[in-house]
Amino acid sequence: GAVVSQHPSWVICKSGTSVKIECRSLDFQATTMFWYRQFPKQSLMLMATSNEGSKATYEQGVEKDKFLINHASLTLSTLTVTSAHPEDSSFYICSAREAGTGNTGELFFGEGSRLTVL
Amino acid sequence: AQSVTQLGSHVSVSEGALVLLRCNYSSSVPPYLFWYVQYPNQGLQLLLKYTSAATLVKGINGFEAEFKKSETSFHLTKPSAHMSDAAEYFCAVLSGGYNKLIFGAGTRLAVHP
Repeated sequence: GAVVSQHPSWVICKSGTSVKIECRSLDFQATTMFWYRQFPKQSLMLMATSNEGSKATYEQGVEKDKFLINHASLTLSTLTVTSAHPEDSSFYICSAREAGTGNTGELFFGEGSRLTVL
Repeated sequence: AQSVTQLGSHVSVSEGALVLLRCNYSSSVPPYLFWYVQYPNQGLQLLLKYTSAATLVKGINGFEAEFKKSETSFHLTKPSAHMSDAAEYFCAVLSGGYNKLIFGAGTRLAVHP
């Protein structure tokens, strides 16, 4: 099946620094990628929808200036947590939909990236 | 907007027993429904999906789910639980013009000997 890879899997950073998380579709092209955030023992909350070559669409309540999303190519989307604070510590998961499969095409999920802000 | 509600945040069964995880949906349009499984510190794996074809959907690892419009339900079942089934299970629905996948709160399944 299609593979989505996230990097890094784990990251620890100091408060005030910025962290970039990459999401790559390894064997398919993805026009749309999604970023989710998951707090411990909770569900996945959609943060934003990332479309290749255009600005991301953020969900209500998500700070676009804090969570910068870039989808510069059909195989890569990045999430940058700017000026990170301890409350940004979370598990971030991306998913990708293969180009040409339409809105109901299967989403493939990355392994997740655990961010800890000290 | 479409949404799903998972009844029971924790379910515990004995090995070999029936697994039943409940999911109810709310949708003003024909829903596209999914069940995913998540193991600790990992991403999500698709178990099965309903896309308006057969109402009884068979998935991987022996799981199946039945779409019941009259009950607005899409419960996940497995006849005989294995220890390896212990994980977090999420029901999800396509929303926002069938573009965004929205998840339920999740149900943690524990399987004991």
